[in-house]
Amino acid sequence: ETGVTQSPTHLIKTRGQQVTLRCSSQSGHNTVSWYQQALGQGPQFIFQYYREEENGRGNFPPRFSGLQFPNYSSELNVNALELDDSALYLCASSGDRPNTGELFFGEGSRLTVL
Amino acid sequence: GDSVTQMEGPVTLSEEAFLTINCTYTATGYPSLFWYVQYPGEGLQLLLKATKADDKGSNKGFEATYRKETTSFHLEKGSVQVSDSAVYFCALTSGGGRRALTFGSGTRLQVQP
Repeated sequence: ETGVTQSPTHLIKTRGQQVTLRCSSQSGHNTVSWYQQALGQGPQFIFQYYREEENGRGNFPPRFSGLQFPNYSSELNVNALELDDSALYLCASSGDRPNTGELFFGEGSRLTVL
Repeated sequence: GDSVTQMEGPVTLSEEAFLTINCTYTATGYPSLFWYVQYPGEGLQLLLKATKADDKGSNKGFEATYRKETTSFHLEKGSVQVSDSAVYFCALTSGGGRRALTFGSGTRLQVQP
């Protein structure tokens, strides 16, 4: 139990639609990052938010966007869904007191695009 | 860019067998290295980590040593249990403020009684 909760756990969308995934970070953590994990692959870094500002982004197109709120919860938005967006989306939180480098992951939101 | 390569799975072992899962990396600077584990139906959990060359991370009987000369961070356990069945991911971060992880593709371990 990491204290990171994600919703919804599963969802099905059709190509071209938009989706919003939500994450509640562990208490006291001010950094949230999002990862995409395709079936049978390792997680790929999408982006990271620190105190409501994006401060790092992986190799994902602009239709992947995010927000972090004052309570440090976060949203991942994906527009114009494509079939290849089908994956498990993982949220991870971390803090800087202490800064151990460890990320605490939620159980993920599984997105299926038809 | 940074990358992590780990051995293909699945790895199937009998209970009490010795486990090695190989992991090698490419990174700029001096990365921190991690092993994460994903048990069936659960989220990723940190198993162990090492932050500088020659450090040994250990947890739950698992060990891995940060080898800068061979750019490796192999995971070992002397005697596996059925409960160790999971997917294991090697990962690194090149540090700085971003703290993003670069993961390997994962190795599934199946331990049979």
